Amino acid sequence: DIQMTQSPSTLSASVGDRVTITCRASQYIGDKLAWYQQKPGKAPNLLIFRASTLESGVPPRFSGSASGTEFTLTIGSLQPDDFATYYCQHYDGYSWTFGRGTRVEIK
Amino acid sequence: QVHFVESGGGLVKPGGSLRLSCAASGFVFGDYYMTWVRQAPGKGLEWVSYISGTGAYTDYGDFVKGRFTVSRDNGDNTLYLQMNSLTVDDTAVYYCARVPSRSVSVFDYWGQGTLVSVSS
Repeated sequence: DIQMTQSPSTLSASVGDRVTITCRASQYIGDKLAWYQQKPGKAPNLLIFRASTLESGVPPRFSGSASGTEFTLTIGSLQPDDFATYYCQHYDGYSWTFGRGTRVEIK
Repeated sequence: QVHFVESGGGLVKPGGSLRLSCAASGFVFGDYYMTWVRQAPGKGLEWVSYISGTGAYTDYGDFVKGRFTVSRDNGDNTLYLQMNSLTVDDTAVYYCARVPSRSVSVFDYWGQGTLVSVSS
C-alpha cells in the first residue's frame, strides 16, 4: 500500500507569511495528488487536484507542485481565512490514501 | 448547486447498529460514484466506502471487515451506510462525498457530516 507522509504536523505562521506544506509518497504516484482544507467543525474543501490544478473558486495564493514523490502546497501570502488544517490525498481510480494533516495556526 | 444533507448519526452502544443517510441535490445523482469518509474526534480523514453510480460496485476500508454496507436509491437521490457491530473505534463524524470521475477521483463536494458516537 502507498503511504503518504505529510509534514509538518503543525505550523505556526503570521498573516502575510509564505507557507509550505509537504507530502511525500512512499512510491511514485505521478500527479494523482489532491489537497484539501478543513476548518474546525466543517467538511473538507477541495483546493487542488492533479498535484497543481486549482479547483474552481480557490484563491490563486494557493498553489501546488510536484517533484518525483514529493508534493508541495504553498500559500503565497497567508490570510486570516487560511488558518485551518490541510490534508493531502493520493487517489488512483477508486483507492484513496490521506496524509495525516497539517494544522496551520496563528503565530 | 450540489448539496448533501446527512442524517442518522447518534449515540449507540457497542455492538449496536445505525443507518446513515445522505440526501443529494443539484446534480444527476446516478451519474456519480459516491463515498463515505470518516473523521474520529481530533484525528485525520479516513476513507470508509464507495459505491458506483448504479450501485453495482462497492468497496470498503480494511477496518470495516464486513460490518458496513453501502447502498443507494437513485430514484430518491439518497446514499446510505448501514453500520452493524459498532465499536468505540467507529466513533467519528461521517461525511458523504462525490467522486467526479475515475481519472480524477477526488472528493469534490462533501456533506456537512453526521456524528456517530459509540459508547456504553
